[in-house]
Amino acid sequence: DAGVTQSPTHLIKTRGQQVTLRCSPKSGHDTVSWYQQALGQGPQFIFQYYEEEERQRGNFPDRFSGHQFPNYSSELNVNALLLGDSALYLCASSLGVLTQPLHFGNGTRLTVT
Amino acid sequence: GQQVMQIPQYQHVQEGEDFTTYCNSSTTLSNIQWYKQRPGGHPVFLIQLVKSGEVKKQKRLTFQFGEAKKNSSLHITATQTTDVGTYFCAVISNFGNEKLTFGTGTRLTIIP
Repeated sequence: DAGVTQSPTHLIKTRGQQVTLRCSPKSGHDTVSWYQQALGQGPQFIFQYYEEEERQRGNFPDRFSGHQFPNYSSELNVNALLLGDSALYLCASSLGVLTQPLHFGNGTRLTVT
Repeated sequence: GQQVMQIPQYQHVQEGEDFTTYCNSSTTLSNIQWYKQRPGGHPVFLIQLVKSGEVKKQKRLTFQFGEAKKNSSLHITATQTTDVGTYFCAVISNFGNEKLTFGTGTRLTIIP
């Protein structure tokens, strides 16, 4: 039973570039949430996808966008990268409503230079 | 917006001592979850509390939800080196916004 998988594990980009991160949810889960975790901080909620639609969104600019596919996998896109976007990006899956526990992937470490 | 503070920010204890972290919210909560993140790892779900005054135990870990549903605590009895990590509470407010907001975390280190 595969858990949440994320790719790539590490990524280095230059300011102004665009990046796409990918996530496959745990088997049987239909909801995907994305979090940004800066070093030494708690995860910050970016958005959540359910039934291929963005259901909830945190306080992140429109440069952050996402998508969910019919197989429940998801992508996080970030445009016009800033140095401050450097962080660990965590994908978490769950079943149905938000009050269900989240299962996190190992994350993608993004470094913007 | 939702503010969730955890205290202390850091805690260093001798192996075998007890440890407690507190989670405080500015608003009444419908749901609180606790997660543990090992160094270099990802958050792992520990438990969920939904009822006022609820107390749940997992071996040496005791979780409590405050009577007013605005705070929670996690207590570890007789810490072991495997308890090292950062403990986060994550909350859902009562007021319609169903985002799971993580607290600031308490980083626990164990002195062998």
